[in-house]
Amino acid sequence: AIQMTQSPSSLSASVGDRVTITCRASQGIRNDLGWYQQRPGKAPKLLIYAASSLQSGVPSRFSGSGSGTDFTLTINSLQPEDFATYYCLQDFNYPRTFGQGTKLEVK
Amino acid sequence: EVQLVESGGGLVQPGGSLRLSCATSGFTFSGYWMTWVRQAPGKGLEWVANINRDGSQIHSVDSVKGRFTISRDNAKNALFLQMSSLRAEDTAVYYCARDVTHIDESGRYFDSYDFWGQGTMVTVSS
Repeated sequence: AIQMTQSPSSLSASVGDRVTITCRASQGIRNDLGWYQQRPGKAPKLLIYAASSLQSGVPSRFSGSGSGTDFTLTINSLQPEDFATYYCLQDFNYPRTFGQGTKLEVK
Repeated sequence: EVQLVESGGGLVQPGGSLRLSCATSGFTFSGYWMTWVRQAPGKGLEWVANINRDGSQIHSVDSVKGRFTISRDNAKNALFLQMSSLRAEDTAVYYCARDVTHIDESGRYFDSYDFWGQGTMVTVSS
């Protein structure tokens, strides 16, 4: 199975900051990658698919980039509701695999 | 409005069985692949299994192969996960999700999960 490794595992930031989360695949996955946000006690929410396409209804401060093995999720001008845990997910092959998550906390 | 509602979770002894259901509404269920994802307490997300539109294709993670069976009833707009030989490490919240396929300009397909249920908790313990 493809291993997805996110960094950092946790991140402290303030409202208004710009943050970047990275995800590395153990083998090339083209741009078959999505990003999900999960707030405590809630189901995950799709933010980005195909590495850089913004899901309908998701604010434009979220953006994704990358292809092959290295990917990034960037959040510009952090808002209070953005403090959550973020996961990448590869849909290149089966089994699908998630990164271990990055918890974004208030500084 | 798209809705997915899981049910069937609970406390079960190791080696026992449980059947999870995911009732859906607000979309043409038979037009979508469907997926189960789980999350152990305090841990990250783990993809479990998915099923194609007519139930003829199934994929699952190795840790559940031979123990879990995903199925669907398109007439009832419902997704199922039959779990047997349950282990302590299967303890998790189980989410069902709608699998949406995006197609880019070159005709490549991308899968992602655009709607999720609220989850149902499965606890495997004696």
